[in-house]
Amino acid sequence: DARVTQTPRDKVTEMGQEVTMRCQPILGHNTVFWYRQTMMQGLELLAYFRNRAPLDDSGMPKDRFSAEMPDATLATLKIQPSEPRDSAVYFCASGLVLGVTSGGPAYNEQFFGPGTRLTVL
Amino acid sequence: KNEVEQSPQNLTAQEGEFITINCSYSVGISALHWLQQHPGGGIVSLFMLSSGKKKHGRLIATINIQEKHSSLHITASHPRDSAVYICAVRGETSGSRLTFGEGTQLTVNP
Repeated sequence: DARVTQTPRDKVTEMGQEVTMRCQPILGHNTVFWYRQTMMQGLELLAYFRNRAPLDDSGMPKDRFSAEMPDATLATLKIQPSEPRDSAVYFCASGLVLGVTSGGPAYNEQFFGPGTRLTVL
Repeated sequence: KNEVEQSPQNLTAQEGEFITINCSYSVGISALHWLQQHPGGGIVSLFMLSSGKKKHGRLIATINIQEKHSSLHITASHPRDSAVYICAVRGETSGSRLTFGEGTQLTVNP
């Protein structure tokens, strides 16, 4: 049963520390998304990749956040240095873009990972 | 005004009731998603639709593109349907970016 996996599931750290979150997308999916969920803001898109290339990272604070896909089976989201306001649940999702139509990318649904609950003290 | 508005924000129902959750959006879209977030936090994609109606078990999703409105219906509701239901839209010019509604907290009592 193919699933998106994320590690760690929970992370507690002190302000100023580096945090790295990892995501393994579903094998064969070519699009990977990073979302952040907080009580105040709800779900927000941070960044997404297609075929390992970043397509949109406009939702991500560039000074401290970075997202990469070293290979097709691993996506990482790094925060350095972390701050208390970064405390949230970070979700990774993957999907398969089948092509591009006049209405935009044609792809199936997004499949979400279980999330990483980050607490920055 | 948010691009995606859901109503109601909170909904409490008795087991067996027919439930409707509404989503209105203000931009042209290429697709609309309904997601379910369980009390434990996990998110499941229920539907992705760009026109008409889709049905899966007791869940039905409809969309009216002209009116920029979608509804999620649950027939014969059950306590295990208790969750947050989130509407998200993919704008015509936003690539794969989703914009989310604030969610509807559904509680179904036995």
